[in-house]
Amino acid sequence: DAGVTQSPTHLIKTRGQQVTLRCSPKSGHDTVSWYQQALGQGPQFIFQYYEEEERQRGNFPDRFSGHQFPNYSSELNVNALLLGDSALYLCASSRNYRPGDIQYFGAGTRLSVL
Amino acid sequence: AQKITQTQPGMFVQEKEAVTLDCTYDTSDQSYGLFWYKQPSSGEMIFLIYQGSYDEQNATEGRYSLNFQKARKSANLVISASQLGDSAMYFCAMRETTGGFKTIFGAGTRLFVKA
Repeated sequence: DAGVTQSPTHLIKTRGQQVTLRCSPKSGHDTVSWYQQALGQGPQFIFQYYEEEERQRGNFPDRFSGHQFPNYSSELNVNALLLGDSALYLCASSRNYRPGDIQYFGAGTRLSVL
Repeated sequence: AQKITQTQPGMFVQEKEAVTLDCTYDTSDQSYGLFWYKQPSSGEMIFLIYQGSYDEQNATEGRYSLNFQKARKSANLVISASQLGDSAMYFCAMRETTGGFKTIFGAGTRLFVKA
């Protein structure tokens, strides 16, 4: 049973560019959340997708957008990259999203913006 | 507002000994879930243990137990019989029922297990 998979594992971009990160949820999971983890900090919630719609959003600008596909996989897009966007981007999946449902995380995509 | 506080940036423990990692939280909700995750240097967040706010007994999962003190709003993780492979970052997290769907994380505690 495959867990949460993310691609690519590493990415180097320059300021102003655009990036797309991808996530495949764990089998049986229909809800995908994205987090940004800056060096030395805890993950920060970006947004969550359920039934192909953004269900909740954290305190991130509109440069951060996403999409969920009918097979529950998801993409995170970041436009007009800034140096401060350099971070580990984590995808987590769960079954719908009741308080006790466990989120399982992928290994992340490490984005470096130069 | 939701908040998770982990006051120990780093902790050292001798192999085979027990260690407690502290976590306090702030919420006005009556219904919420508390989680602990382990993050090795590889980056993946590994789920360890869950405690619901209405659970009367402390959660246990193998060598992990959660010391839940609701009145004090604390949810400390206890790792028994530490192993070298336990060296990692540990994050406490919380999800409220009425706060939507986001989970908030603390700043983490880095645990070093000494041989």
